[in-house]
Amino acid sequence: QVQLVQSGAEVKKPGSSVKVSCKASGDSFSSYPISWVRQAPGQGLEWMGGMTPIFGTPDYAEKFQGRVTITADESTSTAYMELSSLRSDDTAVYYCATGGACGGDCLVYHFDFWGQGSQVTVSS
Amino acid sequence: DIQMTQSPSSLSASVGDRVTISCQASQDITNYLNWFQQKPGKAPKLLIDDAFNLKTGVPSRFRGGGSGTQYTLTINSLQPEDFATYYCQQYDSLPYTFGQGTTLEIK
Repeated sequence: QVQLVQSGAEVKKPGSSVKVSCKASGDSFSSYPISWVRQAPGQGLEWMGGMTPIFGTPDYAEKFQGRVTITADESTSTAYMELSSLRSDDTAVYYCATGGACGGDCLVYHFDFWGQGSQVTVSS
Repeated sequence: DIQMTQSPSSLSASVGDRVTISCQASQDITNYLNWFQQKPGKAPKLLIDDAFNLKTGVPSRFRGGGSGTQYTLTINSLQPEDFATYYCQQYDSLPYTFGQGTTLEIK
């Protein structure tokens, strides 16, 4: 069982950036493939990207390429998602998710465990 | 990107009914399919992965099926706690993509 605890709600101005954190429990954080998924108000789910800390190379959905940066701090078992050049349509709940320690295939993201979500509101 | 088309977008049913939600992928996703349940204000919950594999703790009334580009989620004998929104998601290739969701409402 993995617990993911995310940072709190943020209100940002258009054009600024936001950095959301996701702290994981457990001893194997480095081998957790972690995804970031967002959900705009009343809308569906959208995969933004992910990373397995031990590999260090993130994957990004092309839609967010150039605006999103996913990182991880193994010393604190915390993953981060930073989104820049914020627009009003970036207003959403942002989730992190993982399947826990990857076994045979660490290139696949799984979604067994989710953070509680972080509300990001972009408004002037 | 692989497009995932879910149907119906909404569904009304009664406690005890059986319902089926469909998900069509724009290309073969070789059973790399998840089904999630989401309730208002909550994170999604993974019900089924690998198209058929029921996750631990998920009631056996949930069943996944299909192959290739066509997949289904069947819920037998609906219970009050099953009224929620359901999403399919492919993880055959990046970027992972979701269906638009199916909202299951009480009739």
